[in-house]
Amino acid sequence: DVKVTQSSRYLVKRTGEKVFLECVQDMDHENMFWYRQDPGLGLRLIYFSYDVKMKEKGDIPEGYSVSREKKERFSLILESASTNQTSMYLCASSLLRGKQYFGPGTRLTVT
Amino acid sequence: AQTVTQSQPEMSVQEAETVTLSCTYDTSESDYYLFWYKQPPSRQMILVIRQEAYKQQNATENRFSVNFQKAAKSFSLKISDSQLGDAAMYFCAYRSPLTGNQFYFGTGTSLTVIP
Repeated sequence: DVKVTQSSRYLVKRTGEKVFLECVQDMDHENMFWYRQDPGLGLRLIYFSYDVKMKEKGDIPEGYSVSREKKERFSLILESASTNQTSMYLCASSLLRGKQYFGPGTRLTVT
Repeated sequence: AQTVTQSQPEMSVQEAETVTLSCTYDTSESDYYLFWYKQPPSRQMILVIRQEAYKQQNATENRFSVNFQKAAKSFSLKISDSQLGDAAMYFCAYRSPLTGNQFYFGTGTSLTVIP
């Protein structure tokens, strides 16, 4: 079974802090994705990566950056956390034309 | 960008009954994939069923089946013999092989199963 893990289930950070969310997958998938999930808005794509060191902006990239130095790891970075970035963050991975496998999510609260 | 619409924020069904969740999408592409994902209260999202647009036959997975109407751009999910474990948030998703393999999700339908 494919496993997608995220570094934390719950995280509390202060406004202005730099935040790192990490995601690791163990099935050699080319594609990895970061979403944020908010009630009534569904999942919105922040960034995705189709190869090591390659990234593409999604629908809401402002305030975020990503890093993919190794195929199995995709990091989401909040350079200066703000309260409007309080959300559930979901990581996913997939083969080039396959379904997505999701991690358990990180509930981030910025105070 | 493609849009995916789920017009039913909440649905409920009696245990053992059948329920249909609706999904429509907007696209000008002819080749794409459609998915239904389930997110139980534990919040790990899992795939329920998927459909390739070029296949006319509706996908079926045990108690889950879809009604794929390509011309109408409609992709509904039917859950038969509903069980308590089916209670979850359900998301419809569209994947385009032409726009960097992005997924586009609807806003979700919260399904309650009544014992």
